[in-house]
Amino acid sequence: GDSVTQMEGPVTLSEEAFLTINCTYTATGYPSLFWYVQYPGEGLQLLLKATKADDKGSNKGFEATYRKETTSFHLEKGSVQVSDSAVYFCAVSSGGSYIPTFGRGTSLIVHP
Amino acid sequence: NAGVTQTPKFQVLKTGQSMTLQCAQDMNHNSMYWYRQDPGMGLRLIYYSASEGTTDKGEVPNGYNVSRLNKREFSLRLESAAPSQTSVYFCASSPTTGGGQPQHFGDGTRLSIL
Repeated sequence: GDSVTQMEGPVTLSEEAFLTINCTYTATGYPSLFWYVQYPGEGLQLLLKATKADDKGSNKGFEATYRKETTSFHLEKGSVQVSDSAVYFCAVSSGGSYIPTFGRGTSLIVHP
Repeated sequence: NAGVTQTPKFQVLKTGQSMTLQCAQDMNHNSMYWYRQDPGMGLRLIYYSASEGTTDKGEVPNGYNVSRLNKREFSLRLESAAPSQTSVYFCASSPTTGGGQPQHFGDGTRLSIL
């Protein structure tokens, strides 16, 4: 079945620092890729997605590019804010059912 | 916009008690899901319903049952709660299970079993 590997956290950064959270996947066929964000006490919210190779998903200053050759979908942001502190989940969906598989999540802590 | 609504938000049970977690969505979505979230484990799928009238097991179905009551509502039942079922439970929905469609999540039910 599908699988997702995310870098372990927590990732601790100062405000305005550059963020990268690595995500690699294994999946059959032509999967769709997602990043979700979870703020404390809340459910997951879609942050961005990409549905085919070389697509770049972007939202709220976050970006991720679907790299089929390296089976990766790394999340980046040029300048993080304290309000970006949250847990970030990478997910992949493919195959007959398209039920997404989630990574274990990466906690981001941004200090002022 | 209510989206996906879960009740209750918090619950404490004793081992062996039963309870039902409720979920309702107002987005006219066909597919609904139940996940559990445990520290360091990410989200694990318990059951899902691809469309009204169907339900299927996910990765960790043991100890749970589900009912797709109608298109809007999808409930999760613990018949005899065990401490290993202490977790945060999330309900989600999507238009269908088709590729590229993101899920919409509720805010979760935090369940403790003593």
